[in-house]
Amino acid sequence: GESVGLHLPTLSVQEGDNSIINCAYSNSASDYFIWYKQESGKGPQFIIDIRSNMDKRQGQRVTVLLNKTVKHLSLQIAATQPGDSAVYFCAENMAAAGNKLTFGGGTRVLVKP
Amino acid sequence: GAGVSQSPRYKVAKRGQDVALRCDPISGHVSLFWYQQALGQGPEFLTYFQNEAQLDKSGLPSDRFFAERPEGSVSTLKIQRTQQEDSAVYLCASSRTGGTEAFFGQGTRLTVV
Repeated sequence: GESVGLHLPTLSVQEGDNSIINCAYSNSASDYFIWYKQESGKGPQFIIDIRSNMDKRQGQRVTVLLNKTVKHLSLQIAATQPGDSAVYFCAENMAAAGNKLTFGGGTRVLVKP
Repeated sequence: GAGVSQSPRYKVAKRGQDVALRCDPISGHVSLFWYQQALGQGPEFLTYFQNEAQLDKSGLPSDRFFAERPEGSVSTLKIQRTQQEDSAVYLCASSRTGGTEAFFGQGTRLTVV
């Protein structure tokens, strides 16, 4: 099928290594910041979110860091696996706007065996 | 099924033709969103429903785009007199009341020729 990330920045990582994906956001009023994973031919899949009053949140093999001073969000994936190959998007969410999402530019992650 | 279902998966329309895209959200989800995703880019918000009420349609690109959710469940996105720039993947997402986790369908890939 067609690739979602034809012209996106690409991160190549060796299987088993850690991955770090970065995102800059624009709206200081956002309530939540969310990472989505999108595989080719599929819709975005929720990975993890972080409330705007937090600076770190951990999930299973993933950690999200939020730096409000420089409006920067990152997703760390531990022990990257072939199934992690996908395009990753950060998104902002404002409850006052009905929880609609504003997506940032994506990053394609390619895991090399 | 338990997820968000969209149909058709693929649609080829001749320029000037009208199309209708269907979304079946997760049962019980109050909020429903439509997004448009151009190739290589992140999804962009089109419109948002809470039950049958369309609370935000600020993202609809022109008056050729129309969405409805008459009974607060299934939603239809209609595009009249399609143009080439309408070619994209149209994604539907649903979430619980106040929920930050939106569940996306696989999308409908529209190609206007």
